[in-house]
Amino acid sequence: NAGVTQTPKFQVLKTGQSMTLQCAQDMNHNSMYWYRQDPGMGLRLIYYSASEGTTDKGEVPNGYNVSRLNKREFSLRLESAAPSQTSVYFCASSGRGAMNTEAFFGQGTRLTVV
Amino acid sequence: AQSVSQHNHHVILSEAASLELGCNYSYGGTVNLFWYVQYPGQHLQLLLKYFSGDPLVKGIKGFEAEFIKSKFSFNLRKPSVQWSDTAEYFCAAEGGGYQKVTFGTGTKLQVIP
Repeated sequence: NAGVTQTPKFQVLKTGQSMTLQCAQDMNHNSMYWYRQDPGMGLRLIYYSASEGTTDKGEVPNGYNVSRLNKREFSLRLESAAPSQTSVYFCASSGRGAMNTEAFFGQGTRLTVV
Repeated sequence: AQSVSQHNHHVILSEAASLELGCNYSYGGTVNLFWYVQYPGQHLQLLLKYFSGDPLVKGIKGFEAEFIKSKFSFNLRKPSVQWSDTAEYFCAAEGGGYQKVTFGTGTKLQVIP
């Protein structure tokens, strides 16, 4: 039982390049999230998906796109990377039901845009 | 919209001091509450959670939290902190029909030996 797996762990991009961060969970969770974490800013929600086929913007969606192709996977795409997108990115998932709503996190992706 | 507030951004304590970190949430109805911890360089891990029942919840590593419904609060406490508790602590809530976990901005705790 791997939990939440995100790849890659580290990435360096040049300004203007594109890339996709992958996330998969094996806990049969309905909800999945992408956060970015920056010093002094806490966790900021980029996008979230309450179920397969649905996505909603969080507080900082500009410059990102997401795709929830199936229940397990939720990817985050940077179409044209900017230095302001240098951050640590976390994927998370959570279930439904009274006792199943805690969020589980992936190990994070450290992205540097130069 | 639901929100979670953590009023202490940075707390510095000496070892053996007592800890209390504040957390308030803004939405009504049934709510599930969580505290997460993030050690330096690591991802967030669940410290404790409240779903229902006894409002005093005990978690790992001697942490506990008290749910006070009338104050919309879920404060984290530990009687005696250790240097190894140095980390960032996040309060989170889920409920009000939103099916989404919302996080506070986090509190950095620094414990001085």
